[in-house]
Amino acid sequence: RKEVEQDPGPFNVPEGATVAFNCTYSNSASQSFFWYRQDCRKEPKLLMSVYSSGNEDGRFTAQLNRASQYISLLIRDSKLSDSATYLCVVNIRNQAGTALIFGKGTTLSVSS
Amino acid sequence: EPEVTQTPSHQVTQMGQEVILRCVPISNHLYFYWYRQILGQKVEFLVSFYNNEISEKSEIFDDQFSVERPDGSNFTLKIRSTKLEDSAMYFCASRPLANEQFFGPGTRLTVL
Repeated sequence: RKEVEQDPGPFNVPEGATVAFNCTYSNSASQSFFWYRQDCRKEPKLLMSVYSSGNEDGRFTAQLNRASQYISLLIRDSKLSDSATYLCVVNIRNQAGTALIFGKGTTLSVSS
Repeated sequence: EPEVTQTPSHQVTQMGQEVILRCVPISNHLYFYWYRQILGQKVEFLVSFYNNEISEKSEIFDDQFSVERPDGSNFTLKIRSTKLEDSAMYFCASRPLANEQFFGPGTRLTVL
């Protein structure tokens, strides 16, 4: 079973649309959760951390369900600049040096 | 805003040659990482480094790989005898005490 699974997409949406991405993780010992954004041939950039209570940053809302081992990202009012690959990332332990485990990413394309 | 930097941006080498990829982490960060991403695939953890020693390494990080922090600013990844399958983007990342890791722009390694 893959450690972090995401629907690869692509999700093709018009500007202004609301789009949601889902992710599941296999290791119940996962402690920290993130969404990163990656543009084509660029480095992953941290979009937001995901907290148990859920959190929002502008048009972006992240949710975590530990019981179901499920993470989501909601993007409201999509912009052309939101077009990218969204990476679901987990960290198994909150110790020094612990690796991030990446999903393969979900591709979003926002069109005018 | 401080950033992780990496050099070179693109390295082309012959199979069997040694390469050294260089990174300058963010100055007050304590933990350093190398990841790689083969074209079209997910980001994969290679190694983490803290307090001048390796904290954790993946099965990819075999005897052909080594890391070093030769001075107070640089963090290097050496591949002793490159193979065709080492062709990938190599990302350096660093983090402070908090959980979030920040990635450099990457070095594209092409092994011919």
